[in-house]
Amino acid sequence: DVKVTQSSRYLVKRTGEKVFLECVQDMDHENMFWYRQDPGLGLRLIYFSYDVKMKEKGDIPEGYSVSREKKERFSLILESASTNQTSMYLCASQSQNTEAFFGQGTRLTVV
Amino acid sequence: AQRVTQPEKLLSVFKGAPVELKCNYSYSGSPELFWYVQYSRQRLQLLLRHISRESIKGFTADLNKGETSFHLKKPFAQEEDSAMYYCALRGGTSYGKLTFGQGTILTVHP
Repeated sequence: DVKVTQSSRYLVKRTGEKVFLECVQDMDHENMFWYRQDPGLGLRLIYFSYDVKMKEKGDIPEGYSVSREKKERFSLILESASTNQTSMYLCASQSQNTEAFFGQGTRLTVV
Repeated sequence: AQRVTQPEKLLSVFKGAPVELKCNYSYSGSPELFWYVQYSRQRLQLLLRHISRESIKGFTADLNKGETSFHLKKPFAQEEDSAMYYCALRGGTSYGKLTFGQGTILTVHP
């Protein structure tokens, strides 16, 4: 059974904190993605990575950064959390010949 | 640039009625199109992809390159089809970048 695992289901952080969201996949996929899911806005791509240490900005990268030091792990970093970053964050992985597989999501609340 | 548009945020039908969820895309190359579904309290998962040309849970979708559309259809909706549906596009020349639409919440009433 394929797996994409996000480290937390729920997080509550204070404004200004540095926040790390972790995602691990066990399918040896090349590509990994971070999205945020907001009602009425759908899934918006923040960053994606197509190889170790390689990253590309998505549609809404401002306020975020990412790290991919190992193929199986893709981290999303909020350098200084703000209330407008309160959202559901979804991680996904895929290879060239497969569909994307998603994690269970992390609901982040910034207070 | 690649873009996916789902014009309907909400769609309500009665059980047994036909349903069509609209998806239009913008991409200059040859895209790969997908429909993903998210049932209540479950993770997002693939419903179908255009290259498979198969019917999943009674749903079909045909890629119309002339109209740049990939609408999802089912002739007889069931209550268990109630979910959030996302159309997605994977570009062939963009490192596999996967772009989603805004999503459509489908509610099937008994």
